[in-house]
Amino acid sequence: GAGVSQSPRYKVAKRGQDVALRCDPISGHVSLFWYQQALGQGPEFLTYFQNEAQLDKSGLPSDRFFAERPEGSVSTLKIQRTQQEDSAVYLCASSPSGTGYIEQYFGPGTRLTVT
Amino acid sequence: AQSVTQPDIHITVSEGASLELRCNYSYGATPYLFWYVQSPGQGLQLLLKYFSGDTLVQGIKGFEAEFKRSQSSFNLRKPSVHWSDAAEYFCAVGVFGNEKLTFGTGTRLTIIP
Repeated sequence: GAGVSQSPRYKVAKRGQDVALRCDPISGHVSLFWYQQALGQGPEFLTYFQNEAQLDKSGLPSDRFFAERPEGSVSTLKIQRTQQEDSAVYLCASSPSGTGYIEQYFGPGTRLTVT
Repeated sequence: AQSVTQPDIHITVSEGASLELRCNYSYGATPYLFWYVQSPGQGLQLLLKYFSGDTLVQGIKGFEAEFKRSQSSFNLRKPSVHWSDAAEYFCAVGVFGNEKLTFGTGTRLTIIP
């Protein structure tokens, strides 16, 4: 079956622009996670949804970052007024259960470059 | 808060040789432990995980890892590496009641003929 998909795969934005990154989780997966992976680093947690409820957004670095999952399926991560430090790969993961510990299935990521 | 340390940034191993990648965690109780592999341009793939029970866990692609509570370690091993094992490897920790995973900075594995 299809895995987690993310679009676009690559995004170049000028500083100050707004961007929207999309994640299509595996069908039926309850949990959805967003991570940010800077160059040469491990992924860092941004936020977590269980169905449409955003249960943890403690990792969002500033109020310029906003995530939603309105129907409990597709999720969008929005970054307003992008800055150079936002350049990273944004990874989405989904999990079939209400806990991420069974397994988190990762998408290929969106590479964001802010110029 | 939990943390993960992968002391080796880059390891080079000859094809057919054995491999051990180190992972140390910091957490007051028993964590949930994971190893993921990331190939260029690809997402993370789960190799294996430890929740409880037998401290030696088997994973996919011939990998295994051993949880050692006394050393706060969860090292990844493979008896004989293949060229296709070249990738970035990440150790991660999760804790009960907190859904997020905390990742180490990764170890890049290079395989030479």
